[in-house]
Amino acid sequence: KAGVTQTPRYLIKTRGQQVTLSCSPISGHRSVSWYQQTPGQGLQFLFEYFSETQRNKGNFPGRFSGRQFSNSRSEMNVSTLELGDSALYLCASSSRAGSTDTQYFGPGTRLTVL
Amino acid sequence: GENVEQHPSTLSVQEGDSAVIKCTYSDSASNYFPWYKQELGKGPQLIIDIRSNVGEKKDQRIAVTLNKTAKHFSLHITETQPEDSAVYFCAASDNNNDMRFGAGTRLTVKP
Repeated sequence: KAGVTQTPRYLIKTRGQQVTLSCSPISGHRSVSWYQQTPGQGLQFLFEYFSETQRNKGNFPGRFSGRQFSNSRSEMNVSTLELGDSALYLCASSSRAGSTDTQYFGPGTRLTVL
Repeated sequence: GENVEQHPSTLSVQEGDSAVIKCTYSDSASNYFPWYKQELGKGPQLIIDIRSNVGEKKDQRIAVTLNKTAKHFSLHITETQPEDSAVYFCAASDNNNDMRFGAGTRLTVKP
């Protein structure tokens, strides 16, 4: 079974721009969670989608948004980029909703904001 | 909300020795505790997990113990090998809230 895939792997943007990241979960998984990883703040939860509905949201500003499609693929969008948005963005998929189901992570998208 | 503390932040051991990483959590409702290994340039990989109805779980050289009363859980790696070198994260969650991660432990196994 193929693992979680994320595209693109690397991205460079400038302040004020917006960006869209994509995540394809493991086949059959319906839950996708997004995390931001930085050296200073570690791994922080952004949001979880299950069956095209946002189930849970972390403590991030409204510039961070996401969605999930009927095939369970998910995208996250960050608008009006700030320097502090530079991070590794990880998505994780699981077969059931909720954070107590085993989550499998993708390789991440490394976003650099200049 | 949940707060997870992880110690130590760095750990260096000789090949063949054991390594122990400890985590504490604050929310007594937490009932799922996974451990992840993250190598350079990769996403975290689940190596073992434990649920609150179990006190210990073992998978070959890796074991996790959970003390619900004290709200702490530990990762034990025996007979360490250079390929065990990575950053290890603990996490805790209950189904009503998001998963909270520890700050990570950078493990170095010296050959």
